Amino acid sequence: AQSVTQLGSHVSVSEGALVLLRCNYSSSVPPYLFWYVQYPNQGLQLLLKYTTGATLVKGINGFEAEFKKSETSFHLTKPSAHMSDAAEYFCAVSLPSSGSARQLTFGSGTQLTVLP
Amino acid sequence: DGGITQSPKYLFRKEGQNVTLSCEQNLNHDAMYWYRQDPGQGLRLIYYSQIVNDFQKGDIAEGYSVSREKKESFPLTVTSAQKNPTAFYLCASSIGDKAPRNQPQHFGDGTRLSIL
Repeated sequence: AQSVTQLGSHVSVSEGALVLLRCNYSSSVPPYLFWYVQYPNQGLQLLLKYTTGATLVKGINGFEAEFKKSETSFHLTKPSAHMSDAAEYFCAVSLPSSGSARQLTFGSGTQLTVLP
Repeated sequence: DGGITQSPKYLFRKEGQNVTLSCEQNLNHDAMYWYRQDPGQGLRLIYYSQIVNDFQKGDIAEGYSVSREKKESFPLTVTSAQKNPTAFYLCASSIGDKAPRNQPQHFGDGTRLSIL
């Protein structure tokens, strides 16, 4: 079974500091990976998605993620945090299994706080 | 603009009542999904549908029912059998099986259900 683990349910950074949100997946087969952001009382918005062959993926709002097969990780980073980045972030995985709808399994989320 | 509309934004239910949450999409997507979100637990799949007149149970289908009579619509009914219905409910859609597996799901802005 596929699963995804987000280390750290809460992360705090100062404005202008590096943002690092961790995501590890468990799968013997390379999965399809996504990062979503959720602002309070809103739905999820896609930040970026992993495409086979590209280990560094760039997304919206200055975020990027690096796929490391050897570490089964897909950590999300941003060089300089803005106050507007405060939100909850979800990592999601979809296995390339046959048939079925494109189901996603979500991590439990990481709440990012940006301190002035 | 294309998107997913969930209504109402807030919903209150009395004990023993069934309530129906609306989800409409104009993205021409084949697949639609319902998730439940509780604090610290990420998103859990309730039901999904790959095509009109077909739907499948997700991980936590007990106490819920759905229908898919039109491609654009996927309403969710929270029945009185659902003992703990207070949660944030999110509807999503995706292109479906015709698309590559790295195609993301698109989300509505959610409905917050509370018990009176």
